Amino acid sequence: NADVMQNPRHLVRRRGQEARLRCSPMKGHSHVYWYRQLPEEGLKFMVYLQKENIIDESGMPKERFSAEFPKEGPSILRIQQVVRGDSAAYFCASSPMGTVHSGANVLTFGAGSRLTVL
Amino acid sequence: AQSVTQLDSQVPVFEEAPVELRCNYSSSVSVYLFWYVQYPNQGLQLLLKYLSGSTLVKGINGFEAEFNKSQTSFHLRKPSVHISDTAEYFCAVSDRKGAQKLVFGQGTRLTINP
Repeated sequence: NADVMQNPRHLVRRRGQEARLRCSPMKGHSHVYWYRQLPEEGLKFMVYLQKENIIDESGMPKERFSAEFPKEGPSILRIQQVVRGDSAAYFCASSPMGTVHSGANVLTFGAGSRLTVL
Repeated sequence: AQSVTQLDSQVPVFEEAPVELRCNYSSSVSVYLFWYVQYPNQGLQLLLKYLSGSTLVKGINGFEAEFNKSQTSFHLRKPSVHISDTAEYFCAVSDRKGAQKLVFGQGTRLTINP
């Protein structure tokens, strides 16, 4: 879905390097979510952010992973000292503020960033 | 906590045949239910959603799903498939409190043969 922009689409890193994945939410959306899709698996929730706030990071690995959504600019998922097990597709999604009936719980997904760790 | 089981990892069907992709969920609270489609090398696109009301939900591309509370199921159906329906289909659930936090099934790969 081109309305949620993710870059880079493909990223190759060697073990020990850092990976930074960017996500620009859909216009008018103030909530951002990151999901990870390991090969042959469904998507797993990682973190939910609003501008300058982490709302729920219950799915984030305890070490090496961090996420931010600054007041200006895209949301960034940062993975330090990558390992082969970090190879996956990382999807960003966004939603607007509001209640269920205004569609706030419907996520719009980006096309994903595919990280390969050599 | 919720969980989602998609009973079939792969479903091959012939073009113009009907198809049903099965989804069962587990939850101790009321939920919202979703089906997403992922075309090759693309992100997920919402097919349809169940929030409340009628248990038969119609979505895009001729798909529909029926929420069955007693069987905790939300199976996806299409009466006649097309080659362009070849994709991965994901069932997802969220509780009504943390509605944006989706729990996904493992996906069903639908392959349409001519």
